[in-house]
Amino acid sequence: EVQLVESGGGLVQPGGSLRLSCAASGFTFSTFWMSWVRQAPGKGLEWVANIKQDGSEKYCVDSVKGRFTISRDSAKNSLYLQMNSLRGDDTAVYYCARIGVDWHFDLWGRGTLVTVSS
Amino acid sequence: DIEMTQSPSTLSASVGDRVTISCRASQSIGNWLAWYQQKPGQAPKVLIYMASTLESGVPSRFSGSGSGTEFTLTISSLQPDDFATYYCQQYNSYSYSFGQGTKLEIK
Repeated sequence: EVQLVESGGGLVQPGGSLRLSCAASGFTFSTFWMSWVRQAPGKGLEWVANIKQDGSEKYCVDSVKGRFTISRDSAKNSLYLQMNSLRGDDTAVYYCARIGVDWHFDLWGRGTLVTVSS
Repeated sequence: DIEMTQSPSTLSASVGDRVTISCRASQSIGNWLAWYQQKPGQAPKVLIYMASTLESGVPSRFSGSGSGTEFTLTISSLQPDDFATYYCQQYNSYSYSFGQGTKLEIK
């Protein structure tokens, strides 16, 4: 089955760190750009970061620059998001998404909730 | 950064209605626009990409049009399963942004 499964969310204090993982299966992970998208409770969607197939190019939204790092391991068919210096406005469901050939998000995971609170 | 503005924010309609949702980009994005449907507690699902290409498996009552800065999602005859929130999304130079969403409610 073609799917993405996120893990690693939870409750973390402001200023803390968390590492999200996304396990891909059912498709050739190494041939796709991948992305993280988040959604704060009751709010809209926000793109967070992208990574190229070989990890050589990475892009992210300004609000997470210097704090979040996207990475991948094709041997493990996995995508990661290292989140440091977390703030309250980082509280959200974080989705892993596959980027299709025409640059849209054609496959999504079910998401993992990150709550930043003391 | 490219900002995406959707209208309306909320839309009330009945089963069988034809509805249109608009999306405006703050600068030209060519045809690099997608539409997503999201239901409560679920991940988004792509409906349309490249402004007017229907994703495989999506019913033909969904259609998209536009280019440059003005785009439209049309549902030709609303079905009960279509009541959800819809987002437009642009792609430009390896970054993305979404509209704020349009909640489609039952009248």
